[in-house]
Amino acid sequence: DVKVTQSSRYLVKRTGEKVFLECVQDMDHENMFWYRQDPGLGLRLIYFSYDVKMKEKGDIPEGYSVSREKKERFSLILESASTNQTSMYLCATQQSGREKLFFGSGTQLSVL
Amino acid sequence: EDQVTQSPEALRLQEGESSSLNCSYTVSGLRGLFWYRQDPGKGPEFLFTLYSAGEEKEKERLKATLTKKESFLHITAPKPEDSATYLCAVQAYTNDYKLSFGAGTTVTVRA
Repeated sequence: DVKVTQSSRYLVKRTGEKVFLECVQDMDHENMFWYRQDPGLGLRLIYFSYDVKMKEKGDIPEGYSVSREKKERFSLILESASTNQTSMYLCATQQSGREKLFFGSGTQLSVL
Repeated sequence: EDQVTQSPEALRLQEGESSSLNCSYTVSGLRGLFWYRQDPGKGPEFLFTLYSAGEEKEKERLKATLTKKESFLHITAPKPEDSATYLCAVQAYTNDYKLSFGAGTTVTVRA
């Protein structure tokens, strides 16, 4: 089955720090996504990428950027972390033309 | 804008006590409705995709159904290992990639 690996399970950062969240997949899927999950709000799409160096904004891109230099790796960047970015971040992949998403285990980010 | 509302927020069941979870949605042209299961500390895991009203899918003690306005996830004779958060999501024909998720229903099954 598809394996989606997120680099950190827990992360604690200070306000104003630049934060990198890494996601690596092993199944050659074209599409990759970053979601954040907050209690009562469900999963909200931050950014997605449908090819190397290609990206599209999701519903809540403000304060975030992404990078996809290789097909298997999709990075989420918080340019200057703020306390309201404390959340669970989930990476997902999808084979082009198929709807099913495969998720990583998530990174619980705390910004103090 | 696509909207997904799940109810109840939380459900506590006795082992063997069957129940249903609701997912109400509004979407401009439903391409697919998805159910995922999420265990604590893990990412969501795919369960079902439903495409048209009247469709049903089953997996072990879970059965998902779909109407034009809502979907139900029926849990028959649940066991403690069915305890999880169940997420519903929709995808519209107008968007090839994006799934819009509900907030989920957290199910706890007591032995």
